[in-house]
Amino acid sequence: AQTVTQSQPEMSVQEAETVTLSCTYDTSESDYYLFWYKQPPSRQMILVIRQEAYKQQNATENRFSVNFQKAAKSFSLKISDSQLGDAAMYFCAYRSLFISNYQLIWGAGTKLIIKP
Amino acid sequence: DSGVTQTPKHLITATGQRVTLRCSPRSGDLSVYWYQQSLDQGLQFLIQYYNGEERAKGNILERFSAQQFPDLHSELNLSSLELGDSALYFCASSVWGLPSNEQFFGPGTRLTVL
Repeated sequence: AQTVTQSQPEMSVQEAETVTLSCTYDTSESDYYLFWYKQPPSRQMILVIRQEAYKQQNATENRFSVNFQKAAKSFSLKISDSQLGDAAMYFCAYRSLFISNYQLIWGAGTKLIIKP
Repeated sequence: DSGVTQTPKHLITATGQRVTLRCSPRSGDLSVYWYQQSLDQGLQFLIQYYNGEERAKGNILERFSAQQFPDLHSELNLSSLELGDSALYFCASSVWGLPSNEQFFGPGTRLTVL
């Protein structure tokens, strides 16, 4: 079974600085999807960025980018120019390509604090 | 606003009771997922439906059941409630339920069992 691990329960960063959130996963599959979701205090789950494992190029979405290291099974999220609105829980998630396993498998989350 | 609606927003009930959570997917989405998020934890997948049929099952307790109706809305039924069932329950929907389809999450239903 696949597992997702986020080893940083909490991270803090100064506004306008850059922060990197870590995520590692375990799988025997060669193709899959990886995601970062943001959960602000409103509790709404918001997709931040996604990466297809077969793509070598790291995904980017504006200030958000990932460092995908397939061999190391590592999927970190870099937030540049941190803003107060980035304060939230961030969850890393894995999704299999096998039809019986389409659900998202989640890490425990990292709480990101932005210092003004 | 994701377009996924969940009712009620909050639910407070007693142990041993039964509750029903409702989810309406985004217009055009055929697949619905249910997740449970206990306090300060990641989400746990419960069950997935596609066009009225159960597609995948996670660690869903036997006391819990779900269904998706012809109009594609879904209900999650929780019975013989225990204190440990207190959690945030999310519904998500996607177009076809494929891995490449983004899942859009509803605002969640906060269940408190006293």
